[in-house]
Order: sequence, then structure tokens, then C-alpha cells
Amino acid sequence: QKEVEQNSGPLSVPEGAIASLNCTYSDRGSQSFFWYRQYSGKSPELIMFIYSNGDKEDGRFTAQLNKASQYVSLLIRDSQPSDSATYLCAVVEGGGADGLTFGKGTHLIIQP
Amino acid sequence: GAVVSQHPSRVICKSGTSVKIECRSLDFQATTMFWYRQFPKQSLMLMATSNEGSKATYEQGVEKDKFLINHASLTLSTLTVTSAHPEDSSFYICSARAPNNEQFFGPGTRLTVL
Repeated sequence: QKEVEQNSGPLSVPEGAIASLNCTYSDRGSQSFFWYRQYSGKSPELIMFIYSNGDKEDGRFTAQLNKASQYVSLLIRDSQPSDSATYLCAVVEGGGADGLTFGKGTHLIIQP
Repeated sequence: GAVVSQHPSRVICKSGTSVKIECRSLDFQATTMFWYRQFPKQSLMLMATSNEGSKATYEQGVEKDKFLINHASLTLSTLTVTSAHPEDSSFYICSARAPNNEQFFGPGTRLTVL
């Protein structure tokens, strides 16, 4: 049974600070890792994906992957109130051809 | 990014009726689409994988006779919730897999069964 674990939060971060979101997964066969943002009542939107160990940066977002520890994280720099949302971690085996296994999400609140 | 649409966006039906939800990839062909379900304050759970021209693959615990999936073309998959009951009330979200394996999500369908 594949499991993806996230702290449900809420995680409260002051505006302008760095928000750090964490995720662990149980299936060592997982190869592709995704971070989605979901606003209440809306469907998820992709923020970033990462396949290789290390860091991947895209604008204010940095994804970090450590396959040995089965751990993936998302850093959001210069947090804005509009970043307030639920962040979902998702994993899939292989190159992403299968359906995604999602964590329950972390509710992030950016305080103005 | 690519666009995936769902219709209807919201539906309310009586218990015992059937509801059809459409998922369309508008600007790319998708041989594979996925159907997810999300209950309040829960995460998305994969229900089934819809493959164009062949039978859908259902996840453990999902009744294939209750949730009928048809993927008749490269741009359309439908999910029919048969004999819906209040416990089927949920947010149903589809995704379409692009040729590069990236998944694009539809806006979701909020189903309420009275």
C-alpha cells in the first residue's frame, strides 16, 4: 500500500518569510514527485515536479528530493498571502505514466 | 499548460439516479485519463485509469459496476455514477495525461446526492 504523508497543519508563516513543506513516502519504487497547490473548492494546479535527488528551483519555489530518506520538500521564498492554500504532495512510479498517489495536504496560511 | 474541461461543474441529484460526468482534453489527445475523488478535508484518491479503446482499470475498493467509465475518443472520458447514494457525494476530478506524461487536471465536478 503506497502512502504519502504530510503534516496537515495549518502552517502559519509571516508574509515575506520562507515556507517549508515536507512530505514522506513509503514506496521506494516511486520515481516522480509532484507538488500541487489547491485552493478551497478548486482542483489542484501543478507547482513543480522533481525526478532526481537534490534541489530544483523555479522562481520562488524550490523542490528538494532525497530518495534515500524517502523525503521530498517544497520551499516557498518571499511568501505572499496569495500563497495561502493547501499544498499536496504526490508521487508515482516510473516516468509518471500511472495515476498519482496524493498526500492529504498541508494547509498553509501566509499572515500579512 | 494544456486545458482539461469537466462538465457539469456542479450537480445535485436524487438518491437512486445516475449521473454522467464528462472530461475533455481540449488541446491535446489523451490516450489515458484518470478519475479521482476527494471527500471534504481529504486528499484526492485515484479511482480508476481510463484508457482509450479499452476497459478502465479500477483501484482496489472501487466498484466498477457502480462507477462506469467510457473513453470512447482521444479527447473524451466519461464517468457515470450509477444508482447514486448520499455517500457518493464528493468532488470528482479528472486528469488527462499528455504525451510527455504530465497530468493536467480538470476543474472538478461537485456531486451532491440528496
